[in-house]
Amino acid sequence: SQKIEQNSEALNIQEGKTATLTCNYTNYSPAYLQWYRQDPGRGPVFLLLIRENEKEKRKERLKVTFDTTLKQSLFHITASQPADSATYLCALPYSSASKIIFGSGTRLSIRP
Amino acid sequence: NAGVTQTPKFRILKIGQSMTLQCTQDMNHNYMYWYRQDPGMGLKLIYYSVGAGITDKGEVPNGYNVSRSTTEDFPLRLELAAPSQTSVYFCASSSQDRDTGELFFGEGSRLTVL
Repeated sequence: SQKIEQNSEALNIQEGKTATLTCNYTNYSPAYLQWYRQDPGRGPVFLLLIRENEKEKRKERLKVTFDTTLKQSLFHITASQPADSATYLCALPYSSASKIIFGSGTRLSIRP
Repeated sequence: NAGVTQTPKFRILKIGQSMTLQCTQDMNHNYMYWYRQDPGMGLKLIYYSVGAGITDKGEVPNGYNVSRSTTEDFPLRLELAAPSQTSVYFCASSSQDRDTGELFFGEGSRLTVL
């Protein structure tokens, strides 16, 4: 059964707008959730971690929310730029603190 | 620091052949992971380790074996290669830092089984 779901459709938005990506999870209550960025042909790079007792976390133009009731995290990029174009993956510990699993990722394209 | 180093970067195998993907990290991390990524898909956890001598199965362990004899090294072995194992393999390590729990990834090993 699918444990983590991300939008499989690519997200295309205009430069300057806010991009919002969704990560939904089932069958577990993770202590935290992470977001990674992956560029083509490269390994993922860590962006942010949000804990279950945190509603929101920010880092520069990035904002992450975590709703443990809805079992959902939202990842926002404000004032988006073409350089933000990449695949974004969410990850969480599943059934144990050390077993980190990933969603399928959402490909984001920012057009000038 | 080199971070996480994977070898080889590319490999073509024939069905039934065996090989080992090497992974080493120089950050003294206790936690190490192997993932596979099929085209257009996310990462699937194959095996992971929380320290030398300890390994556990992930989501898709069948057809693979691992060992962790040292903190630095976490090799992944394919015993009888099958076309379904064609994928990009990523090794990662983590200190399980309380603030980030960040995974550091290698550049990947692209494996094709024909």
